[in-house]
Amino acid sequence: QFVLTQPPSVSAAPGQKVTISCSGSSSNIEKNYVSWYQQLPGTAPKLLIYDNDKRPSGVPDRFSGSKSGTSATLGITGLQTGDEADYYCGTWDTSLSGVVFGGGTKLTVL
Amino acid sequence: EVQVVESGGGLAKPGGSLRLSCAASGFSFSTYSMTWVRQAPGKGLEWLSSITSNSAFIYYADSVKGRFTVSRDNAKNSLYLQMNSLRVEDTAVYYCAKETSGSVDYWGQGTLVTVSS
Repeated sequence: QFVLTQPPSVSAAPGQKVTISCSGSSSNIEKNYVSWYQQLPGTAPKLLIYDNDKRPSGVPDRFSGSKSGTSATLGITGLQTGDEADYYCGTWDTSLSGVVFGGGTKLTVL
Repeated sequence: EVQVVESGGGLAKPGGSLRLSCAASGFSFSTYSMTWVRQAPGKGLEWLSSITSNSAFIYYADSVKGRFTVSRDNAKNSLYLQMNSLRVEDTAVYYCAKETSGSVDYWGQGTLVTVSS
């Protein structure tokens, strides 16, 4: 259903590290920059990572992004309860001529 | 401060129409592409449409192509989404957002569209 594939959920304890994967194809992730978005409960999404690995001003360096081939990864270290949110990857798809998102990953900080 | 504020959501009947508006401020609106994204209740993000700064290029998701029309008025710093032939499955929160180099970097708070008889 979603062009980009993410795990539905991940969980880890406070202070630990978690990674969220985003799998795509040669027409999207491989050719274009990947962004990551954080959506806290009841709020609008917020840009977390752009251009694969860059953080907008104000985003803590606990959040990192990387890309290799047709996959991208979001990493979060030093987990806090306030990080509990849905996380989405997104990029441009050259074949579809449109933005594509992953289905979202719900992060639970146990 | 960059702000995008949507308006125009509400209740519509299947087959009906609604026009969403988005007022932008805090940045040079005429130099950026803009995007509409929606989120059905309890679901993920769905990109709907993007329009380049001068309206030269407009892109639509297949799910809304032929039914929705995006436009902008750079003199008014405004973005619009005309939604026709609405379906129950169009029920969602609709977000207006600013694009920068392929990233959606500023999102509005969203406006709820409910399509129901």
